[in-house]
Amino acid sequence: QKEVEQNSGPLSVPEGAIASLNCTYSDRVSQSFFWYRQYSGKSPELIMSIYSNGDKEDGRFTAQLNKASQYVSLLIRDSQPSDSATYLCAVQRGAQKLVFGQGTRLTINP
Amino acid sequence: DAGVTQSPTHLIKTRGQQVTLRCSPKSGHDTVSWYQQALGQGPQFIFQYYEEEERQRGNFPDRFSGHQFPNYSSELNVNALLLGDSALYLCASSLAAGGSYNEQFFGPGTRLTVL
Repeated sequence: QKEVEQNSGPLSVPEGAIASLNCTYSDRVSQSFFWYRQYSGKSPELIMSIYSNGDKEDGRFTAQLNKASQYVSLLIRDSQPSDSATYLCAVQRGAQKLVFGQGTRLTINP
Repeated sequence: DAGVTQSPTHLIKTRGQQVTLRCSPKSGHDTVSWYQQALGQGPQFIFQYYEEEERQRGNFPDRFSGHQFPNYSSELNVNALLLGDSALYLCASSLAAGGSYNEQFFGPGTRLTVL
């Protein structure tokens, strides 16, 4: 079992709709959870961090964490073509290494 | 506020050669982590440096080594290059005092091609 699992996609969503990205992790003592956006040929960009169960909203982005189910998700409301990218879920225990999933490729169709 | 910088941007080497990649962390950060990202995969952790010492290491052979300088900048060295070392090498900086709230910010990366 991989430490962090994501559906590789591609996930195709019409412009203006809600994109939902999911991630599961295996290490129960993980404390910190991150979503990175990576455009083709570029480096990962941190877009959301979440540390407690529940929802965290930042603009059009909402991260959701359920530690009991070992599940993290990212919702993107009012999806724009500029949101087309690969989204990486990362999990961390303490101030140590990030463990990444393989990423979900998201395409927003105009 | 200067972000994370890396050099060079691109590098082409042949098998058996050695390479050194460089990273300067974000202003105010003291911890540097290195990751390798193969095409179509998520980044894989190589090692992390804090206070000029390797604090944690991933599953990479001893051919991969690093260093952190007093100004917090860091180098990644790879010896005896293999074709499989071709990848995007990413440096991430963070602040150790952040504890569990330890966001890591990535530099632009160095694209290494081994022929």
